[in-house]
Amino acid sequence: GQNIDQPTEMTATEGAIVQINCTYQTSGFNGLFWYQQHAGEAPTFLSYNVLDGLEEKGRFSSFLSRSKGYSYLLLKELQMKDSASYLCAVLTTDSWGKLQFGAGTQVVVTP
Amino acid sequence: GAGVSQSPSNKVTEKGKDVELRCDPISGHTALYWYRQSLGQGLEFLIYFQGNSAPDKSGLPSDRFSAERTGGSVSTLTIQRTQQEDSAVYLCASSKAGGPFEQFFGPGTRLTVL
Repeated sequence: GQNIDQPTEMTATEGAIVQINCTYQTSGFNGLFWYQQHAGEAPTFLSYNVLDGLEEKGRFSSFLSRSKGYSYLLLKELQMKDSASYLCAVLTTDSWGKLQFGAGTQVVVTP
Repeated sequence: GAGVSQSPSNKVTEKGKDVELRCDPISGHTALYWYRQSLGQGLEFLIYFQGNSAPDKSGLPSDRFSAERTGGSVSTLTIQRTQQEDSAVYLCASSKAGGPFEQFFGPGTRLTVL
């Protein structure tokens, strides 16, 4: 099976930067997703990485190191609306449709 | 439709009853997924459809759970003889194909088994 670990909760101030780490142990890695989920709502897609390196998309960036089994999601210029749970999910080659999700990191943005 | 829709949004049932949950994916999406999410937990994969067939149903927790998809569109998840541990939010998602494609999630069905 896969082990996907991410911190349970992080707190940061409005305007600051927060980095959410995700480590995974898996065979047949086929990409890593980040989703955002506000309380009581459905998850929404943020990013997909399959090659090593940094992908930047506005205030959000995602990094992947396949050799280290490590990814992070970087949130810059934090806004109150960024308070949400951030889910790391891994796709493997043994199933074209099965995303394995971590437990999620709750980010709390304070004024 | 514009997005993934699910019905009902809430379902309260008594232990031992059967329930059916419905998912309408985004039009044209060939891949459909069911997940469940217990309070404060991450998403747990249940089953994946490509068209009307289910190449991966490895996440179904027991034989009380079944799902089908017809016409390459609507899917129903059926839970027979519900148990209290089945209480969770059941989320459906669809994508244009299986694999490394963005999954679009529906709003979920909150199931409470008394």
